[in-house]
Amino acid sequence: EAEVAQSPRYKITEKSQAVAFWCDPISGHATLYWYRQILGQGPELLVQFQDESVVDDSQLPKDRFSAERLKGVDSTLKIQPAELGDSAMYLCASSWGHSVGTEAFFGQGTRLTVV
Amino acid sequence: QQQVKQSPQSLIVQKGGISIINCAYENTAFDYFPWYQQFPGKGPALLIAIRPDVSEKKEGRFTISFNKSAKQFSLHIMDSQPGDSATYFCAASEHGGATNKLIFGTGTLLAVQP
Repeated sequence: EAEVAQSPRYKITEKSQAVAFWCDPISGHATLYWYRQILGQGPELLVQFQDESVVDDSQLPKDRFSAERLKGVDSTLKIQPAELGDSAMYLCASSWGHSVGTEAFFGQGTRLTVV
Repeated sequence: QQQVKQSPQSLIVQKGGISIINCAYENTAFDYFPWYQQFPGKGPALLIAIRPDVSEKKEGRFTISFNKSAKQFSLHIMDSQPGDSATYFCAASEHGGATNKLIFGTGTLLAVQP
């Protein structure tokens, strides 16, 4: 069964260091999402790509976060510098498109702890 | 306007009982209402979804009831099983242009006791 692959699964980093997460969506999925899930809360969208283009990054803290999907396939989310409040689960999801009823498939996430 | 409010925060049900989780929304432009199930250490997985043109959708033991006028929807799990113990999130999205981000509720931790 096709899955959204994410790595690493866990990451511990010191405050002010840089950290990066990688996501490989399900083959053929044009839409890719990065969500952040703080413990005890629901996921919140950080950025949405359609192919290689960003279509929504309104909730992305652009002073420290960046995301790219250069060839419209896999994607990287970077945080520099990391802050204590960035500790969370970072989830990648993908879907065929963005029309109504299109299911978004989530990866297992990267659990980030900033110390 | 973008919030989806979910209750209860946690729920304990006996095996064989009915689990009910409720959600409410404000944005009348939302046009897709999925429920996600999340086990510890895993990403959310779609359980069942509904569009506002129907009032109920049933898939196996899982049913969504939708009340458009009240802007509320709920998940009913019939014959709850210990394997249903997980966190459940309601969500809503609006499809316009190229975006369709999901707005999630805060989650309900369900424990089904054997």
